[in-house]
Amino acid sequence: AQSVTQLGSHVSVSEGALVLLRCNYSSSVPPYLFWYVQYPNQGLQLLLKYTTGATLVKGINGFEAEFKKSETSFHLTKPSAHMSDAAEYFCAVSPSLYDGGSQGNLIFGKGTKLSVKP
Amino acid sequence: DTAVSQTPKYLVTQMGNDKSIKCEQNLGHDTMYWYKQDSKKFLKIMFSYNNKELIINETVPNRFSPKSPDKAHLNLHINSLELGDSAVYFCASSQDLFVDTQYFGPGTRLTVL
Repeated sequence: AQSVTQLGSHVSVSEGALVLLRCNYSSSVPPYLFWYVQYPNQGLQLLLKYTTGATLVKGINGFEAEFKKSETSFHLTKPSAHMSDAAEYFCAVSPSLYDGGSQGNLIFGKGTKLSVKP
Repeated sequence: DTAVSQTPKYLVTQMGNDKSIKCEQNLGHDTMYWYKQDSKKFLKIMFSYNNKELIINETVPNRFSPKSPDKAHLNLHINSLELGDSAVYFCASSQDLFVDTQYFGPGTRLTVL
């Protein structure tokens, strides 16, 4: 079965520091990959997604992620953290139909809470 | 204008009751979803509807039933509520089922006493 692993349930960085949130997936066929952000008491908002093509994907709010097939990873980064980045971040995959996936079935990781210290 | 809206935002009820959560999207999307987020923030898909057809039905108890009166609405009915049903329920929509961005509603926090 498809799965998504987010290393670190809680990451704390200082304002201005690099943000690195890790995501690994299990799949024999590259899935489609997403990062969503959830601010307190709100729904999820798409940060970025990878489907095909360029493996470095740029998203909103200065975030980017790189798809590395050899490492089955899709880590999220931002060069300089801002206080407003404090939120819960979810990595998700939409498994390929060729890998037993169901269309539209997003499988989420358990989330990483990002705290930003002044 | 809110793209995906849910009502109510909070729902507190007793065990054994029946309740509904409403969802509406004004994006003209063809597919809508219901997700459950538990107390540990884990998100799991419950249902999706595409052109008024149920496409995905994960291992969800049959006490939960989605109802779609039209393409813009997907309501969630829950019968005989149990303590374990307490969670935040999110509605989402996307243009279609294929790799498309899902837009989420603000969530409904259900508390079963």
